[in-house]
Amino acid sequence: GDSVTQMEGPVTLSEEAFLTINCTYTATGYPSLFWYVQYPGEGLQLLLKATKADDKGSNKGFEATYRKETTSFHLEKGSVQVSDSAVYFCALMPSYGKLTFGQGTILTVHP
Amino acid sequence: DTAVSQTPKYLVTQMGNDKSIKCEQNLGHDTMYWYKQDSKKFLKIMFSYNNKELIINETVPNRFSPKSPDKAHLNLHINSLELGDSAVYFCASSYMAGGQDEQFFGPGTRLTVL
Repeated sequence: GDSVTQMEGPVTLSEEAFLTINCTYTATGYPSLFWYVQYPGEGLQLLLKATKADDKGSNKGFEATYRKETTSFHLEKGSVQVSDSAVYFCALMPSYGKLTFGQGTILTVHP
Repeated sequence: DTAVSQTPKYLVTQMGNDKSIKCEQNLGHDTMYWYKQDSKKFLKIMFSYNNKELIINETVPNRFSPKSPDKAHLNLHINSLELGDSAVYFCASSYMAGGQDEQFFGPGTRLTVL
């Protein structure tokens, strides 16, 4: 079945540091890939998405590229802020079926 | 205007009780979902409805029964609550089931079973 694996957390960074959160997936066919973010005490919200190979999703300074050859969708940001502290979820959705999430990565950014 | 709303936000109850969580979306979406998030933040889908019809039913105990009176509402009733049911339950909605569509999540209901 479909699965998503994220790098283990938690991740702790200083403000303005570079962020990478690794995400790899296993799926049949060509799923869409997503990064969702969950701020403390809130529900999830979409951060970015990519729907086909080599697509790059971007939003709020975050970027991720759909790499079919390595089945990866790593999240990056050049300079994190304290307000980026949250839980980040990588997820995949096939053409028809269910959204499968990775285990989530807790990010804490210190001033 | 809240897109996906859930009530209550917090629910504390005793083992063995029956409780319900309500969800409403005002986005005009056809598909709604229930997810369970455990204490380690792991998210797993429980149910999905498309146009009031059940389309996803994961291996969830029979004590959990979803009900969709119309496209905009999806409620979750839980019978005979157990300690292991303690979690945060999220409702979500999307235009279609599957594909590229973003899912919009509610704020969650934190259920604590004592």
